[in-house]
Order: sequence, then C-alpha cells, then structure tokens
Amino acid sequence: DMKVTQMPRYLIKRMGENVLLECGQDMSHETMYWYRQDPGLGLQLIYISYDVDSNSEGDIPKGYRVSRKKREHFSLILDSAKTNQTSVYFCASIRGAQDTQYFGPGTRLLVL
Amino acid sequence: KTQVEQSPQSLVVRQGENCVLQCNYSVTPDNHLRWFKQDTGKGLVSLTVLVHENDKTSNGRYSATLDKDAKHSTLHITATLLDDTATYICVVGDRGSALGRLHFGAGTQLIVIP
Repeated sequence: DMKVTQMPRYLIKRMGENVLLECGQDMSHETMYWYRQDPGLGLQLIYISYDVDSNSEGDIPKGYRVSRKKREHFSLILDSAKTNQTSVYFCASIRGAQDTQYFGPGTRLLVL
Repeated sequence: KTQVEQSPQSLVVRQGENCVLQCNYSVTPDNHLRWFKQDTGKGLVSLTVLVHENDKTSNGRYSATLDKDAKHSTLHITATLLDDTATYICVVGDRGSALGRLHFGAGTQLIVIP
C-alpha cells in the first residue's frame, strides 16, 4: 500500500526555536516535495528534492532548509521559527512525469 | 497573482444532489490538470487527471472536463454522499516531467448535508 508518512502530526513551538519536520515514503520515489497550506491560499512549494542530496528551492524557500540523505526520507528544517511560519505542512512524492503526487497527512505547526 | 482560480469558494448541497465545481487558470504552458480531494485534516488524494485539449474523464460519480483553449475545467459530482464533504483542489502542471511546477488553486469547500 503506497504511503507517505509525516511526523509529527501536530507541533507547538516558541518563536526562535528550531523545528524539524520528517517525511517518509515507501515507494522509492525519486522526487519529493515540501508544501505549506494556509487558509484561502493554494499549496505553496517550499522545496523540491530530485533525489538524495539533490535539492532545489521552490517558490517560498526563505526561512526553510531541507535534508535528503536517504531516498525514502525528506526533512524540512526551520532554524529559529517565526510566527508567520504557523501553517500546515505537506510532504509529497511522485513517481514521475504526469503521475499523481502522493501526499502525506500533513503536520500542523503552531509557532507562538 | 493567483494563476488558478476556483469557484465557488464554498458550496452546500443536499445528499443526492449533483454539483459542479469550476476551475479557471492562466498557467502557461498547461501540460495537465488534476483534481484532488482533501478531507478535513488529511492530505490530498487524486481524483482524476486531464491531459489533452477537450479531455473528459470519468471516475465513478466524479467526472471532469478540460477546455485548454478557454483554460477552464469542471468537476461534476453526481448523487452526492455525505462522505463527499471535503475541499476539492484544482492543480495545473506546467510540464509533463518532475521538473515542472504544479500550480494549486485554493480549493472549493463542499459540504453535503442530509
């Protein structure tokens, strides 16, 4: 059963703290994504990873960095979180070309 | 500027009724268009993908059309069920490869009432 997992599902942090969001997939997909979803807006792309250690900025990379050391894991890191990074974060992976993206269940992050 | 506009923003229908969701976009090039369903608190799940000019697809009670000339797509849901309550998101891909970008609409929130 194809699956994208995200941990944690819910997280509360104080402004200035570091945040680590984890994503895993069991489909050996090369390409993975991190998005954030805010009310009234479409998903916004933060970073793309084309494979291990092959990462590319998306549309809103500022304040974020990523790490992909294994094909099945893709991490999103917020160094010194800001209140405007409160959002729901989605990880996704894709097999290729016009195939669908498979989405994780999301991580709801609240930065106080 | 938003390149994918969905309407209506929200919609309430009674169980058993049909409904139509609209998607207009300005993405160029427009390689493909996909409709996703997002249940509350969950990730996005693909319903259907449209690729060609004047494409039409059908997936159970979901059917969709694409007019690339007009840059417009519709998602029809027939005989709605309570489980159809969700946000429906229109996504336009600008290339047929992983190098392409996906452009997301903000979604239509559908509520199905008994």
